Amino acid sequence: GENVEQHPSTLSVQEGDSAVIKCTYSDSASNYFPWYKQELGKRPQLIIDIRSNVGEKKDQRIAVTLNKTAKHFSLHITETQPEDSAVYFCAAAPGNTGKLIFGQGTTLQVKP
Amino acid sequence: SAVISQKPSRDICQRGTSLTIQCQVDSQVTMMFWYRQQPGQSLTLIATANQGSEATYESGFVIDKFPISRPNLTFSTLTVSNMSPEDSSIYLCSVEQAENTEAFFGQGTRLTVV
Repeated sequence: GENVEQHPSTLSVQEGDSAVIKCTYSDSASNYFPWYKQELGKRPQLIIDIRSNVGEKKDQRIAVTLNKTAKHFSLHITETQPEDSAVYFCAAAPGNTGKLIFGQGTTLQVKP
Repeated sequence: SAVISQKPSRDICQRGTSLTIQCQVDSQVTMMFWYRQQPGQSLTLIATANQGSEATYESGFVIDKFPISRPNLTFSTLTVSNMSPEDSSIYLCSVEQAENTEAFFGQGTRLTVV
């Protein structure tokens, strides 16, 4: 089955710097890759997603890149702000089942 | 979007007992899933709740331990049976309007087994 690896597990940046989180997946049939943000004690919420027919997608300060050949995708956050501090999860959706396989998570701390 | 009501939000249970968690959605959805999130960990898929048929379980999860019902397109339950302290976790339901679209999560049920 699908396996998703996420790095780093923790990331600390200064406010205004960029943050990059990387994920790799194993199942070449996976075709949907969402990123979720989870604040402490709250439910995960989608921040951006990308499908396999696209190499890059951007939404304001957030961008995601996908390399299907290498089976990896990355989240880029520019001009980080303290409110970006949270746990970020990447996920992959194998086939068309709708289910999501999550990476281990990255705790991002943005220092003012 | 979908609004999900998950109950209870938290509970403390005695080992050996069972707890049923409910997930109610404000609109009909194609897909419903149950995840477990152990403290400080990632989300692990337990099963896909299939409307009108048996749930599809992931490796490591079995129906006897986690029976799931989905009588219609807006409601599902997950039961955690014969609980042990290792079952202490957050359980989340998730819904999608179609495969490979945004997944919406319930607020979670924080279960502590003593």
